[in-house]
Amino acid sequence: QQQVKQSPQSLIVQKGGISIINCAYENTAFDYFPWYQQFPGKGPALLIAIRPDVSEKKEGRFTISFNKSAKQFSLHIMDSQPGDSATYFCAAGHTGGFKTIFGAGTRLFVKA
Amino acid sequence: DTGVSQNPRHKITKRGQNVTFRCDPISEHNRLYWYRQTLGQGPEFLTYFQNEAQLEKSRLLSDRFSAERPKGSFSTLEIQRTEQGDSAMYLCASSPTQGVGGYTFGSGTRLTVV
Repeated sequence: QQQVKQSPQSLIVQKGGISIINCAYENTAFDYFPWYQQFPGKGPALLIAIRPDVSEKKEGRFTISFNKSAKQFSLHIMDSQPGDSATYFCAAGHTGGFKTIFGAGTRLFVKA
Repeated sequence: DTGVSQNPRHKITKRGQNVTFRCDPISEHNRLYWYRQTLGQGPEFLTYFQNEAQLEKSRLLSDRFSAERPKGSFSTLEIQRTEQGDSAMYLCASSPTQGVGGYTFGSGTRLTVV
């Protein structure tokens, strides 16, 4: 019940294209769903987050879509750029910030 | 720099030796977390502090691992009698008690046990 399953493991997208990463969770007690971006040699950095009372959140080129009934959420990166090439982690936790569970990650490569 | 600071950045040690890592969180953050990340995987929760109190430890944190946060400021993670399976990136993160719940991670300490 604590797992967060993420797909795909890796993704190659042309510059200007849309990158889509999907996640599924099991524990309905989770009420906070962040996405983190990690570059090599760095720690993960919070990118965008959503709570289950909304179905979509957009910040710049990044959008989270959330389907509470299906227990799934996804990250869309519009107009993908080479600088977006990184590993992306979905996660699930609580708004209090305690014990976030991370997916296994998606390595995104944006071709110039 | 007001981010989360971790030292050392890299540590190579021989199997059986003890190692200690340090984390300095963002000063206003009451909560501090340790995670472990192995190659190709997401971070795995190890332990969590609110101020100086250690409130939860993962089953991953065997009795060879100990973490402290004296005075609720910096934290140390010690691994005794290191094993090759301990080789990983050890990440520290902090967050405020109130707020949206997102973590600020440090750049991690990469441990290699030879």
